[in-house]
Amino acid sequence: DIQMTQSPSSLSASVGDRVTITCRASQDISNYLAWFQQEAGKAPKSLIFGASSLQSGVPSKFSGSGSGTDFTLTISSLQPEDFATYYCQQYYNYPLTFGGGTRVEIK
Amino acid sequence: QVQLQESGPGLVKPSETLSLSCTVSGGSISRYSWNWIRQPPGKGLEWIGYISDSGSTIYTPSLKSRVTISGDMSKSQFSLQLISVTAADTAIYYCARGRRSGSSFSFDSWGLGTLVTVSS
Repeated sequence: DIQMTQSPSSLSASVGDRVTITCRASQDISNYLAWFQQEAGKAPKSLIFGASSLQSGVPSKFSGSGSGTDFTLTISSLQPEDFATYYCQQYYNYPLTFGGGTRVEIK
Repeated sequence: QVQLQESGPGLVKPSETLSLSCTVSGGSISRYSWNWIRQPPGKGLEWIGYISDSGSTIYTPSLKSRVTISGDMSKSQFSLQLISVTAADTAIYYCARGRRSGSSFSFDSWGLGTLVTVSS
């Protein structure tokens, strides 16, 4: 199985901050990488696929980059609704696997 | 706008079978994969498996001996069965649509999820 490692596991930030979350795959996954946002008590929401393509309706403050084994999710200006847990996920091969999550909290 | 809705019992006894359904509305069944994912309370996400629009299935190895995903695509429904459950199977179960992305599928829509508790 491909292991997905996210860092940090949690972070504290203020409204307006630029936030970057990293995700590392245990092997080359090309750009078969997705990001999800999960607010407390809610279902995950798909943000990014193909490492850098925004899902329909996702605001442009979210951006993704990377290829191979190292990826990043950036939120350009953190807003109150962005405080949530973020997960990366590889779909390069089966079983599909997720990172452990990064909790973004209010400072 | 596609919508997915999970349904099924919220309480299952140990050693019995967990059965859930996912109803898809507002979108085509064709050219997508239809997935089950679960999340134990307070923990991360685990992909269980999928069924394609043609009926082929793939399961995660750790659950393969206990899981079956089936579909009635004419009714826009697909189902999950997990046999011989234990407390470790207590989780929120989500269904999700996979959209073709390169040679694979990426999740683009999720159901709201349903909590299944395994307890006597």
